[in-house]
Amino acid sequence: GIQVEQSPPDLILQEGANSTLRCNFSDSVNNLQWFHQNPWGQLINLFYIPSGTKQNGRLSATTVATERYSLLYISSSQTTDSGVYFCAVEGTGNTPLVFGKGTRLSVIA
Amino acid sequence: KAGVTQTPRYLIKTRGQQVTLSCSPISGHRSVSWYQQTPGQGLQFLFEYFSETQRNKGNFPGRFSGRQFSNSRSEMNVSTLELGDSALYLCASSLVPQSTDTQYFGPGTRLTVL
Repeated sequence: GIQVEQSPPDLILQEGANSTLRCNFSDSVNNLQWFHQNPWGQLINLFYIPSGTKQNGRLSATTVATERYSLLYISSSQTTDSGVYFCAVEGTGNTPLVFGKGTRLSVIA
Repeated sequence: KAGVTQTPRYLIKTRGQQVTLSCSPISGHRSVSWYQQTPGQGLQFLFEYFSETQRNKGNFPGRFSGRQFSNSRSEMNVSTLELGDSALYLCASSLVPQSTDTQYFGPGTRLTVL
């Protein structure tokens, strides 16, 4: 099945810093989503982005499907951005979403 | 619009028992997917239901089963519980099957098996 690798596994930032999270996948995808899981376990969808670029406030994402990677940019980080960021992809055909292991982000004041 | 709701939020069971978890999707959503999250294995897909039909199933033993009702609410059942079934069980809903739509997750049910 499709493989998903996220990097870095852990990231510590000072409040106000910018960061880039990466998601590599092993095959063509129909679906790619970025999620944020807060410390209470709630998963929040950030972007549905199988290709192209999207922006939402301080967050933006770019997926280059032909090169099989996606990037999540966080600018001017805040302590509330802390948590785990997951990339999830679905390959072609009737296959389920496969999640990466996540990037654990800690933003300190 | 209310989000995805899951009940119960916390559950403690003993080995050998069975458990039923419930998920109510966002109003109008017809697709419901279930995931298991553990520290060791991460987030793993269990199954997806769309219009009362199981559309996809993950690599879990037959002790894990699910169903979807005509109002799109879904339940999952785990029989003969094992210690390794302790996990956060997450439900997600979408308007149409997950391959073409954003997934919205519920708060999860945390199951502890003693």
